[in-house]
Amino acid sequence: AQSVTQPDIHITVSEGASLELRCNYSYGATPYLFWYVQSPGQGLQLLLKYFSGDTLVQGIKGFEAEFKRSQSSFNLRKPSVHWSDAAEYFCSCRSNFGNEKLTFGTGTRLTIIP
Amino acid sequence: DTEVTQTPKHLVMGMTNKKSLKCEQHMGHRAMYWYKQKAKKPPELMFVYSYEKLSINESVPSRFSPECPNSSLLNLHLHALQPEDSALYLCASSPRGTSGYNEQFFGPGTRLTVL
Repeated sequence: AQSVTQPDIHITVSEGASLELRCNYSYGATPYLFWYVQSPGQGLQLLLKYFSGDTLVQGIKGFEAEFKRSQSSFNLRKPSVHWSDAAEYFCSCRSNFGNEKLTFGTGTRLTIIP
Repeated sequence: DTEVTQTPKHLVMGMTNKKSLKCEQHMGHRAMYWYKQKAKKPPELMFVYSYEKLSINESVPSRFSPECPNSSLLNLHLHALQPEDSALYLCASSPRGTSGYNEQFFGPGTRLTVL
């Protein structure tokens, strides 16, 4: 069974600093990978996705993520965070065949300090 | 129209009430999903409809009853709920069914409180 690990429960970053949120997956083949962001009491917004091809993917709001097969990782990065980036971030994966469900990590809560 | 809408935004119900949650998308997506999310947890899948047919039921109690009247609309009928069913209920849709190059788009959710 596939699984997703987000080792950081909570991260605090100063506004304007760079950000990296970690995500590791466990799956026999290359899965489809996603990052979602959720503000308090809101739904999930898709930041970016990886299906195949270029391992560095660009998303919305200035985020990017890099798929590293050798490390089974799909870390999310942003060069300079804004106060509005404070939210919960979920990494997720799905198998690349069949009607498999989305597996979510436990989430990383991002706090931005001025 | 490029979004998933959910109504109502908030719902408070007693344990003997019957209520329904509604989800709509007009993007021509062919799969729709119901998730339940408790505070500080990731979403948990409840049901999946693919091409208007129920394809996944994650062993959800029968007090939750999904319905997909057409390809744009998904309902979740609630009856005799328990206080532990209080949560944020999220609807999602994906363009090309449930397999292949497909991402899920989420609605804003319905905050349900069961008294």
